[in-house]
Amino acid sequence: DAGVIQSPRHEVTEMGQEVTLRCKPISGHDYLFWYRQTMMRGLELLIYFNNNVPIDDSGMPEDRFSAKMPNASFSTLKIQPSEPRDSAVYFCASSPPRGETQYFGPGTRLLVL
Amino acid sequence: AQRVTQPEKLLSVFKGAPVELKCNYSYSGSPELFWYVQYSRQRLQLLLRHISRESIKGFTADLNKGETSFHLKKPFAQEEDSAMYYCALESDRGSTLGRLYFGRGTQLTVWP
Repeated sequence: DAGVIQSPRHEVTEMGQEVTLRCKPISGHDYLFWYRQTMMRGLELLIYFNNNVPIDDSGMPEDRFSAKMPNASFSTLKIQPSEPRDSAVYFCASSPPRGETQYFGPGTRLLVL
Repeated sequence: AQRVTQPEKLLSVFKGAPVELKCNYSYSGSPELFWYVQYSRQRLQLLLRHISRESIKGFTADLNKGETSFHLKKPFAQEEDSAMYYCALESDRGSTLGRLYFGRGTQLTVWP
């Protein structure tokens, strides 16, 4: 099993552009989490899904951020328009039902110029 | 509100020395606590959870509800322990999985 897969691994874009981050959870996991990691704020939960339904999106910073999970094997996190302060590493994680842990992807390093 | 505090951003010890990474939490309910580790160029992964009461790679962590702490300890540090360590608290685990709150992390460096 390749584990949680994220793409792209690195993204450099200009302010104002739309950015789409992708995640494929581990097969059979019904929880999916999106995190953002910055030097200033550490690792923050943005949103998480259970069975493709958003459960808690209170961590989504503002309307520029949106996340979808159209099916059990795919999720996207979109930033539109992007801003330099969005520069961070974005992690996706998945967990089985009542799992002991979350399994993290390798992260997407985003730089907005 | 839930909060996890790791007071040390950086911690350096020599190989063979004891190491303790501090973690304090605030939570009104009954917490589930974890330590996650991220080795260089690797994914964030679970190291241990308090409910398991096990030792992983020589590390142990005891939940002290009186002091609201969950410090990570190892009696003899090894160079391969050098990594970023995150303490995390899971809230509201009931019929569904709770959300994790992470501390800022402590970068441990073990010198030869």
